[in-house]
Amino acid sequence: AQSVTQLDSQVPVFEEAPVELRCNYSSSVSVYLFWYVQYPNQGLQLLLKYLSGSTLVESINGFEAEFNKSQTSFHLRKPSVHISDTAEYFCAVSEGSGGYQKVTFGTGTKLQVIP
Amino acid sequence: DVKVTQSSRYLVKRTGEKVFLECVQDMDHENMFWYRQDPGLGLRLIYFSYDVKMKEKGDIPEGYSVSREKKERFSLILESASTNQTSMYLCASSLPDGSLMTQYFGPGTRLLVL
Repeated sequence: AQSVTQLDSQVPVFEEAPVELRCNYSSSVSVYLFWYVQYPNQGLQLLLKYLSGSTLVESINGFEAEFNKSQTSFHLRKPSVHISDTAEYFCAVSEGSGGYQKVTFGTGTKLQVIP
Repeated sequence: DVKVTQSSRYLVKRTGEKVFLECVQDMDHENMFWYRQDPGLGLRLIYFSYDVKMKEKGDIPEGYSVSREKKERFSLILESASTNQTSMYLCASSLPDGSLMTQYFGPGTRLLVL
């Protein structure tokens, strides 16, 4: 069975500093990986996803994540955060083995950007 | 833009009441989902539906039921609300092959059961 681990429940970081939000998964088959973001009082929205091809994926607002199969990780990074990045970030995984495969979400990491 | 709307942002109910949470999507998506979100537990799947009148149990279906009579609408029903069902409820939809398709979420309904 697949699972997702986000070890950091909260990450405080100063504005304009770099940040890394960690995500590790376990699965015995090939996977699809996602990062979703939830701004205060809103639902989740997709930030970026890895399906296949290049292991480095980017979002339109400067985040990037790298799929590392050997370390079973999909960490999210941004070189310089902004106040508006304050939100909760969820890593998610699904197994691409045909038919409907459930998406499993991590427990979330709250990013607190400090002015 | 895909839009997923939920009937209420906040709801207060009493123990034992029957509660209906409604979700509507406007993008003709086949798949629809109900999750509950609790601090430290992330999102947990309650039920999902891949077609009209079709439903599948998720990880925590106990105490809940669902209804999907029309493609655009997916309802979550708490037959007899209990205090441990106090939570944030999120509805989502996606195209088929939900394993790789983006899920689009509604804003959530925060339910308090007294």
